[in-house]
Amino acid sequence: SAVISQKPSRDICQRGTSLTIQCQVDSQVTMMFWYRQQPGQSLTLIATANQGSEATYESGFVIDKFPISRPNLTFSTLTVSNMSPEDSSIYLCSVETPGTAYGYTFGSGTRLTVV
Amino acid sequence: TQLLEQSPQFLSIQEGENLTVYCNSSSVFSSLQWYRQEPGEGPVLLVTVVTGGEVKKLKRLTFQFGDARKDSSLHITAAQPGDTGLYLCAGGESGTASKLTFGTGTRLQVTL
Repeated sequence: SAVISQKPSRDICQRGTSLTIQCQVDSQVTMMFWYRQQPGQSLTLIATANQGSEATYESGFVIDKFPISRPNLTFSTLTVSNMSPEDSSIYLCSVETPGTAYGYTFGSGTRLTVV
Repeated sequence: TQLLEQSPQFLSIQEGENLTVYCNSSSVFSSLQWYRQEPGEGPVLLVTVVTGGEVKKLKRLTFQFGDARKDSSLHITAAQPGDTGLYLCAGGESGTASKLTFGTGTRLQVTL
C-alpha cells in the first residue's frame, strides 16, 4: 500500500491570491493525480502529473489556473491561482496503489475556502 | 465524456436494514471500483471488479459488475452505523486504466 501526506489539510484564502497544495508519497510512483471535489459532490479529475514531463489537464482545467509541479517520483504540488469563491472545494491527490492492478490511494484532501 | 450515474443520491436507513446502490453508464469500462469516503478523509477503495458478471463479497457488502461492463451495484446487508459515508463508484476507461471517472455519489446514513 501507499501512504500519502497532503497539506495543508484546510485553508481559508482571500480572493485573488494563490494556494499551493503539497502531496508526498512514501514510495516512488509513476503518475500522480489531482482531483477536485466541490461541496457535496463527487470527484473530478483535474490533471495527471508524470515526473519529468508536463502535466496532462482534463477538459475545463488549464495550466495557468492550476499549475502543477512534479519534481520527483514521490512529490507533487498543485497551485490554485487567482482564486475566486468558485474555487472553494476539497482538492485531493491520488496515486495507483503499489502492488495492485487497479487500486488507488487518496490523500486526506485539502479543504479550501475562498472568501 | 463518460458519465456514471449513481442512485439513490441520498439514503437514510436504520441499523439492520438492507440496501442497494446502483451505478449506471452508457459507456463500457475496463474496471469498476467502489470507494467509501468519510468526512475529512479521501476515498478508500472497497473493491475492484473487472469481469462482466463478476460478483465479489466483502463481509456484508456484495458488489456486482454488469455483464456488459456498463453498470454495477453495491448491496449492503444488515447495515450498521459504521457503514455511514459517501459511496462512490469509479470506472477505469478501456485502454487507459489509470484514468478514473467517478460516479455522482450516494450519501448513506445509518442510524441506530
